[in-house]
Amino acid sequence: AQTVTQSQPEMSVQEAETVTLSCTYDTSESDYYLFWYKQPPSRQMILVIRQEAYKQQNATENRFSVNFQKAAKSFSLKISDSQLGDAAMYFCAYRSARGKLIFGQGTELSVKP
Amino acid sequence: DTEVTQTPKHLVMGMTNKKSLKCEQHMGHRAMYWYKQKAKKPPELMFVYSYEKLSINESVPSRFSPECPNSSLLNLHLHALQPEDSALYLCASSQGPGAQYTEAFFGQGTRLTVV
Repeated sequence: AQTVTQSQPEMSVQEAETVTLSCTYDTSESDYYLFWYKQPPSRQMILVIRQEAYKQQNATENRFSVNFQKAAKSFSLKISDSQLGDAAMYFCAYRSARGKLIFGQGTELSVKP
Repeated sequence: DTEVTQTPKHLVMGMTNKKSLKCEQHMGHRAMYWYKQKAKKPPELMFVYSYEKLSINESVPSRFSPECPNSSLLNLHLHALQPEDSALYLCASSQGPGAQYTEAFFGQGTRLTVV
């Protein structure tokens, strides 16, 4: 069975600084997708970034980028120039080509002004 | 319109009540999902509708009954719930059921309290 592990329950970053959230996963599949979701206090889950396993190039979306290490089964999220609005719960998620979305336990990020 | 709209935002119901949660999207998405989320926990998948047909039921108790009247609308009918069913219920949609589309859009959820 596939599992997703986020080892940092809480993280804190100073405004304008950079922070990296960790995620590891376990799978025997070769075709899968990885995602980071953000859930602010407003409760709405927002898809931040996605990575296809077959792509070697790391995905980026504005201030958000990932470090995808397929052999190590690692998928970390880097947030550059952190803003107060980045404060949220961040979930790493995995989905195989035929499976359902599997979430990690989440990392609560706080941003200090 | 890139929104998934859920109503109501909050709901308090007794264990003998019958109520319904509603989810609507007008993006032409053909897959819609219900998730249950407890505080400080990740969402748990309940149901998936693909092209208006129930494709996944994650062994959810029968007191939860999903319905997809059309491609834009998804309901979750609630009956004889238990206090442990109190949670945030999230609806999501994606362009299609394939993994490449994923649950791209979520609603803001309905906060359900069972008393």
